[in-house]
Amino acid sequence: AQKVTQAQTEISVVEKEDVTLDCVYETRDTTYYLFWYKQPPSGELVFLIRRNSFDEQNEISGRYSWNFQKSTSSFNFTITASQVVDSAVYFCALSAAGRRALTFGSGTRLQVQP
Amino acid sequence: GAGVSQSPSNKVTEKGKDVELRCDPISGHTALYWYRQSLGQGLEFLIYFQGNSAPDKSGLPSDRFSAERTGGSVSTLTIQRTQQEDSAVYLCASSLVRQDEKLFFGSGTQLSVL
Repeated sequence: AQKVTQAQTEISVVEKEDVTLDCVYETRDTTYYLFWYKQPPSGELVFLIRRNSFDEQNEISGRYSWNFQKSTSSFNFTITASQVVDSAVYFCALSAAGRRALTFGSGTRLQVQP
Repeated sequence: GAGVSQSPSNKVTEKGKDVELRCDPISGHTALYWYRQSLGQGLEFLIYFQGNSAPDKSGLPSDRFSAERTGGSVSTLTIQRTQQEDSAVYLCASSLVRQDEKLFFGSGTQLSVL
């Protein structure tokens, strides 16, 4: 079985604060992929990143960074200097070899106050 | 089209009626997925189509739910004898080939069963 847990249901920060969204996953597969998607108020999910299980390098893209640690089965997402436009629901997801669909976490709602 | 298109964007129906939801994936994408998102919840996998292979129906919650994909393109999700618990946002996504790739999502159909 595979599972994705996003323990933080909702986070509220003030603009320019840094914020980290947690994601913990479970899978018995050795080959898998991890994803983050953003769902703004408009509703359409937008892909942010895909990481395979053999690549533990952290990644930075502008104000976004991701920390992948196999030892703790975590794939955390940090937004630096948050902005109001970052307000959205963020989903972590897992795709394991042999499975035919992504397993999503329950999402973390981020509210960035001006 | 440029993105995944879903129609209608909103559907209100009475309990016991049948509904059809449509998804038009990105041209050239061979993989198509349906997910359901209940209020404040994560995404629940429903069904997955890949090319000419038999669809993965393992996520369909009951035999009232069915889906087809004609000509490897447009897909229709049908819910028969709708129940109030079917109320949710139904999301369609497509990817170029496989489930471990980036998914492109539509804006969803908000289904309300009265």
